[in-house]
Amino acid sequence: GAGVSQTPSNKVTEKGKYVELRCDPISGHTALYWYRQSLGQGPEFLIYFQGTGAADDSGLPNDRFFAVRPEGSVSTLKIQRTERGDSAVYLCASSLRPNQGTEAFFGQGTRLTVV
Amino acid sequence: DQQVKQNSPSLSVQEGRISILNCDYTNSMFDYFLWYKKYPAEGPTFLISISSIKDKNEDGRFTVFLNKSAKHLSLHIVPSQPGDSAVYFCAATGVRADKIIFGKGTRLHILP
Repeated sequence: GAGVSQTPSNKVTEKGKYVELRCDPISGHTALYWYRQSLGQGPEFLIYFQGTGAADDSGLPNDRFFAVRPEGSVSTLKIQRTERGDSAVYLCASSLRPNQGTEAFFGQGTRLTVV
Repeated sequence: DQQVKQNSPSLSVQEGRISILNCDYTNSMFDYFLWYKKYPAEGPTFLISISSIKDKNEDGRFTVFLNKSAKHLSLHIVPSQPGDSAVYFCAATGVRADKIIFGKGTRLHILP
């Protein structure tokens, strides 16, 4: 596709449930980033993939959060035992070259609401 | 501990006038500074950046100024247009540029 695509655009889930958020990066982009934006805050870094491997996962808040990118393209962010505090917009971005976060293109985000 | 700070949550400017958005940072190891623009229900869009070795970068109506000694940068938009109404995020990266640290954003309203 022409841009970074994230699905679903909105997700409502019950506390304690498991959710998966999907990101389709721009074709050919080797680097992929996940960010989380809570209300009134700026985007907060979660994890960065270079190809298939997670080069930096220092932003994941706890072990309920996990992300994969098995074939170096599509990525899935997985959240177990969701809590109300996980409610936020989850943003995915991709860039052509690794370590070029300055040229990252963002998707429209997935708005997650935990009730 | 916020490394990138935008202390003004909102700003209103008359159309045609200059908009000045401010940003402060605490980490002297930042290598690049960026401004992103965000409309509702869309992801952030890159606007302009500046390397830490420069003090000014200009792109059309947008100019970013960097004052390293004060750990301060600003974005100037002149003349301001209605389509400039959006949330503006100040951000920074280190030498590796593998993650971007964002401020909380400033909502800019351009008044007719």
